[in-house]
Amino acid sequence: KAGVTQTPRYLIKTRGQQVTLSCSPISGHRSVSWYQQTPGQGLQFLFEYFSETQRNKGNFPGRFSGRQFSNSRSEMNVSTLELGDSALYLCASSLAGGVQPQHFGDGTRLSIL
Amino acid sequence: AQSVTQLDSHVSVSEGTPVLLRCNYSSSYSPSLFWYVQHPNKGLQLLLKYTSAATLVKGINGFEAEFKKSETSFHLTKPSAHMSDAAEYFCVVTSGNTGNQFYFGTGTSLTVIP
Repeated sequence: KAGVTQTPRYLIKTRGQQVTLSCSPISGHRSVSWYQQTPGQGLQFLFEYFSETQRNKGNFPGRFSGRQFSNSRSEMNVSTLELGDSALYLCASSLAGGVQPQHFGDGTRLSIL
Repeated sequence: AQSVTQLDSHVSVSEGTPVLLRCNYSSSYSPSLFWYVQHPNKGLQLLLKYTSAATLVKGINGFEAEFKKSETSFHLTKPSAHMSDAAEYFCVVTSGNTGNQFYFGTGTSLTVIP
C-alpha cells in the first residue's frame, strides 16, 4: 500500500508570493492533517480535514488555508509569503481521525528568499 | 488541556547499551499516546501506540514503552541501541475528546556513539 505522498518535495519562493502544497493520503484514509515544522517552534498543527470539511484548526493566521477533495487528497495554500514561513510542511493521514495513528509523508521543504 | 513534556532534548548512548527517552503527559481525558521517529529530511514514522489496552506496548525495531498513569509517564526504551536508531523522537498525546488534534513534544535527539 502506498504511503502518504507530498508534492513537491522542495520549493523556493520569494516574499509576497503564494504557494500551494499537495498531499495524497493513504488509500482509504479520510482524515488529513497538516503540520508546520521549524527548528524554533517544533511541530505545530495547522488544520485537519475530514470528508472535505475542516474539522480542526490550529493557531495560524488566515494566510494559511487548505481544502480537501472528494478523493481525500488535500492541498494547503499559503498566501503573501513571509520569511518566517520557511519550514518543513508535513501532511499526515489516518482512517477517520480521532485517536487513530497518523501516517506522515516526507514533507515539503519550503524556503522563502 | 493536553500536552507532553519530553524531559531530555538530547540523549547520547553507546552502541549496544540501553536507550531511555522520557515523556510525561498531561491530559484531562483518557489519553492515547504515541511515539514517532524522524530521520533527517524525512517524515515521522510511527514506532508504537498506547490506546488504553495493555500498559506495556511493544513497537517496531525493538522499542517499547510503558504507560504509567500514576506517574503520567510514557517513557520509550530499547535494550540495545543500534547506529540506525540515531534520529529525532517525538512523544505525542491525543484524546477522542479533542478531535484529531495531536499534541507533540519538542523532541529528543538521540545520538548513538560507535
